[in-house]
Amino acid sequence: AQTVTQSQPEMSVQEAETVTLSCTYDTSESNYYLFWYKQPPSRQMILVIRQEAYKQQNATENRFSVNFQKAAKSFSLKISDSQLGDTAMYFCALIQGAQKLVFGQGTRLTINP
Amino acid sequence: EADIYQTPRYLVIGTGKKITLECSQTMGHDKMYWYQQDPGMELHLIHYSYGVNSTEKGDLSSESTVSRIRTEHFPLTLESARPSHTSQYLCASRPGGVPYTDTQYFGPGTRLTVL
Repeated sequence: AQTVTQSQPEMSVQEAETVTLSCTYDTSESNYYLFWYKQPPSRQMILVIRQEAYKQQNATENRFSVNFQKAAKSFSLKISDSQLGDTAMYFCALIQGAQKLVFGQGTRLTINP
Repeated sequence: EADIYQTPRYLVIGTGKKITLECSQTMGHDKMYWYQQDPGMELHLIHYSYGVNSTEKGDLSSESTVSRIRTEHFPLTLESARPSHTSQYLCASRPGGVPYTDTQYFGPGTRLTVL
């Protein structure tokens, strides 16, 4: 069975700092996709970034980047130059052949002014 | 933002009432999902559909039911609401075809309170 674990329930940093959110997963498949979703307070959940397991290059989207360690089954999200609007719940998720996303428990990130 | 809509956004209702939470998407997506999420907590998949007339129960047992008569519409029904049903319900959709690559889009959610 697939599992996704986020070991940091809450994190808090100052504006403009860099923050890294951790995610580990378990799957028996060699081909799968990993995602980070962001859920701002009282707002819609949106995709932040995704990574294809067969690609060695880490995905990057502006200030957001991932550190994908396939052998270690680790998929951390780095947010550079954090902004107040980055305050949200962040969910790591995995999908493989079952066609259903498996989510982690979430990390509540607060960016302080 | 994605074209996926949920109504109502907020609902406060008494115990024993029948309620239907609406979800619709205009993207022509085959796959649709319902999640239950307590505020600030993880998501639990309660129902999903891979197309018209296809519905399956999710990982979390739920007393709700769903239907998928039209591609764009995936309503969730509670026949008799109870306080334990108080939660946020998120609807999501994803294109069919290639199973891995497509982004899943979420609706804004319905926050349900049962008194």
